[in-house]
Amino acid sequence: EAGVAQSPRYKIIEKRQSVAFWCNPISGHATLYWYQQILGQGPKLLIQFQNNGVVDDSQLPKDRFSAERLKGVDSTLKIQPAKLEDSAVYLCASSKSGYEQYFGPGTRLTVT
Amino acid sequence: AQSVAQPEDQVNVAEGNPLTVKCTYSVSGNPYLFWYVQYPNRGLQFLLKYITGDNLVKGSYGFEAEFNKSQTSFHLKKPSALVSDSALYFCAVSFYGGSQGNLIFGKGTKLSVKP
Repeated sequence: EAGVAQSPRYKIIEKRQSVAFWCNPISGHATLYWYQQILGQGPKLLIQFQNNGVVDDSQLPKDRFSAERLKGVDSTLKIQPAKLEDSAVYLCASSKSGYEQYFGPGTRLTVT
Repeated sequence: AQSVAQPEDQVNVAEGNPLTVKCTYSVSGNPYLFWYVQYPNRGLQFLLKYITGDNLVKGSYGFEAEFNKSQTSFHLKKPSALVSDSALYFCAVSFYGGSQGNLIFGKGTKLSVKP
């Protein structure tokens, strides 16, 4: 079974630029999550989708972050404009049962 | 507020010795508890979970964890550590009634196993 795929793996941008990350969950997993992991901290949930509907986006900085999940499969997370404090690893995870989550390798974003 | 604490930034163990990585939690209601491991430049891998039932749960790679409701703890253990166990370990909690499956993570504990 293929795991959660994410791209790109690494991205370096300047502040005020925009960036987008892509995630393809495990086939058949209805729930998809985006987490932000700042160096030295545990992952923090940004947004949770159930199929193509948003379940929880309470910690998503909506003035600059947006996310969508087209047709209940792939998802894209966008930052516009980026700030220095957005430097982090962005992890995508998916789940079938709502309990165990399976994580992708992450995208390491550096904002200079 | 719901929270997870991992009181040790790093745990050092000699290969072959038992290891314990500590985790305590603060949630209202019945928690669902998880351990994940993160190797360098890789995503988090699921190790084990406690949902209900037996307080001692067994997971991948010989790891186990014990749920202690009175002490609100969920410590990760392994009887005999391997050098390959060296990684970053995260404890996480989820709770029903909120966003199903929404995980709250601790800050992580770096496990170093020396030969």
